[in-house]
Amino acid sequence: GAVVSQHPSRVICKSGTSVKIECRSLDFQATTMFWYRQFPKQSLMLMATSNEGSKATYEQGVEKDKFLINHASLTLSTLTVTSAHPEDSSFYICSPRKAMNTEAFFGQGTRLTVV
Amino acid sequence: GIQVEQSPPDLILQEGANSTLRCNFSDSVNNLQWFHQNPWGQLINLFYIPSGTKQNGRLSATTVATERYSLLYISSSQTTDSGVYFCAVNPFRDDKIIFGKGTRLHILP
Repeated sequence: GAVVSQHPSRVICKSGTSVKIECRSLDFQATTMFWYRQFPKQSLMLMATSNEGSKATYEQGVEKDKFLINHASLTLSTLTVTSAHPEDSSFYICSPRKAMNTEAFFGQGTRLTVV
Repeated sequence: GIQVEQSPPDLILQEGANSTLRCNFSDSVNNLQWFHQNPWGQLINLFYIPSGTKQNGRLSATTVATERYSLLYISSSQTTDSGVYFCAVNPFRDDKIIFGKGTRLHILP
């Protein structure tokens, strides 16, 4: 399988601050990166898709100015939650993809708590 | 968009019992995966199974793509099997992975 590293695993921040989450594919190059969000006892919901060097495509209802995605290289993508509010508290998970229609692997997830 | 439905939503079993989890999807897919989400949130890949049958120890899965469903079998359940099991599909002409709502499995000692 593929090795994906996501950090931090947990972060607590104050309202109004920004938090950056990193996702790295350690043993493969990811042409596409997917970011998901999961609220307690719910399923994973896709937030956005990004291709290396291109702007991210956001799903309906996801604010692109609040959730900044950078996919500057084939092994690293970052998600920045800007001006965080308590309702942004959630579990965020990344999924770098080698190529279309291949098996999906996921990072360990980041549990964000905004106080 | 494609709909992914999992059943049952919740399942409580005694240790040693067998279980079958079902995933129905509303349109053709390129592939289908089963995951186990552990208590820390990590998604563990169980099967990558766009069609056919695969087995891995006490777990096996079958996907019948023409009838748009997949089954995950867990035999001789152990308490460590507890957690949420997700089915996720990759629709045709789309690289997104769409998740079902999951089956929450609780194995009693």
